[in-house]
Amino acid sequence: DQQVKQNSPSLSVQEGRISILNCDYTNSMFDYFLWYKKYPAEGPTFLISISSIKDKNEDGRFTVFLNKSAKHLSLHIVPSQPGDSAVYFCAASAPSNTGKLIFGQGTTLQVKP
Amino acid sequence: DVKVTQSSRYLVKRTGEKVFLECVQDMDHENMFWYRQDPGLGLRLIYFSYDVKMKEKGDIPEGYSVSREKKERFSLILESASTNQTSMYLCASSSPGRINEKLLFGSGTQLSVL
Repeated sequence: DQQVKQNSPSLSVQEGRISILNCDYTNSMFDYFLWYKKYPAEGPTFLISISSIKDKNEDGRFTVFLNKSAKHLSLHIVPSQPGDSAVYFCAASAPSNTGKLIFGQGTTLQVKP
Repeated sequence: DVKVTQSSRYLVKRTGEKVFLECVQDMDHENMFWYRQDPGLGLRLIYFSYDVKMKEKGDIPEGYSVSREKKERFSLILESASTNQTSMYLCASSSPGRINEKLLFGSGTQLSVL
């Protein structure tokens, strides 16, 4: 029972264009969402987060959008750079399991020069 | 530079062996976690600990156990390794509280069980 789903295993975009990574969740108790980025042979690193009281959070080239009614969040990267090529995981947590994150399957982003 | 250190980057073990994966963090974090990463399945939580000598099962604890004798160290134990435990194992830590749910991960241990 996958509570957090990333239905696109991979995405390829041209350098300078927008990358949009999507994530869906099923547990309505989730109220905090995070995106992590992972390079090969390294651990995931935190990228950006959003609380359910917001619908948008921006940090430089990265913006996360949250649509609670649709139980959907997305990560926008503008403009995309070759160094953004990595696996991106979305994660979620609920108040009842503080500190415990549920991760999606990951999306591999390739940014072509 | 604060970090989470996993003792081995690569391990090759035989079926039936007892395997120890070690993790140390230098941030004085209360929370520590063990995940495994498999293609198409993402990161799945094996065990976690909110304090010394305490542990809680995650989503896939079968075949694993853990030990947390000191705050900075969290060990994952495969009692009798099997081929389906071949995976990337990731240790993470965090401070308690909702605003500190950002996990800090180690670099991972790629375990192969033959």
